[in-house]
Amino acid sequence: GAGVSQSPRYKVAKRGQDVALRCDPISGHVSLFWYQQALGQGPEFLTYFQNEAQLDKSGLPSDRFFAERPEGSVSTLKIQRTQQEDSAVYLCASSAARGYTRSGANVLTFGAGSRLTVL
Amino acid sequence: SQQGEEDPQALSIQEGENATMNCSYKTSINNLQWYRQNSGRGLVHLILIRSNEREKHSGRLRVTLDTSKKSSSLLITASRAADTASYFCATSIEVGGSQGNLIFGKGTKLSVKP
Repeated sequence: GAGVSQSPRYKVAKRGQDVALRCDPISGHVSLFWYQQALGQGPEFLTYFQNEAQLDKSGLPSDRFFAERPEGSVSTLKIQRTQQEDSAVYLCASSAARGYTRSGANVLTFGAGSRLTVL
Repeated sequence: SQQGEEDPQALSIQEGENATMNCSYKTSINNLQWYRQNSGRGLVHLILIRSNEREKHSGRLRVTLDTSKKSSSLLITASRAADTASYFCATSIEVGGSQGNLIFGKGTKLSVKP
């Protein structure tokens, strides 16, 4: 597609519910990143995929967070048993560059984000 | 954890004035980027400067990089009301000889009054 598409744009969940956030990156983009952005803060790295391989998940805050990109295109970020501190905007970004190599600067194209509110 | 720190946190100016935002970072970098975020939207890439460059221009944007001081500045000249947004610096650090993920600062919230 023309840009990075994320859905849903807004999600309200009751504490303890599971949620799934979807990201459709730019067609052909190798690298895909998930970031978490709290109100008034900058984006914080969660995880990185190169094609279908999850090469870095060091930013996932707990084992309740799980991400996948099974066919190397669409990615899903799943949060199990949501808690109030999970409330944030979840941003997905993609890049044509292989983000963890020297072969080019990793300029990211971001989606509009999914705003999660946990009550 | 966040690598970059922008300064000031908030900046309010009149249309036509110049806006300067600064970014300091902690570790050696491969490149530094500036992104813009309008309220409720995703981030948009503005400009990238590599660690061996000192200054770069793009339209009304001018970016400088001082690796000895681990700092960068973004200057927006002749600001417009449409420049109102949050601006973030992002650094790409070397991880085992390769570029790692982008690490963002907390941002500067710019308000340009018409």
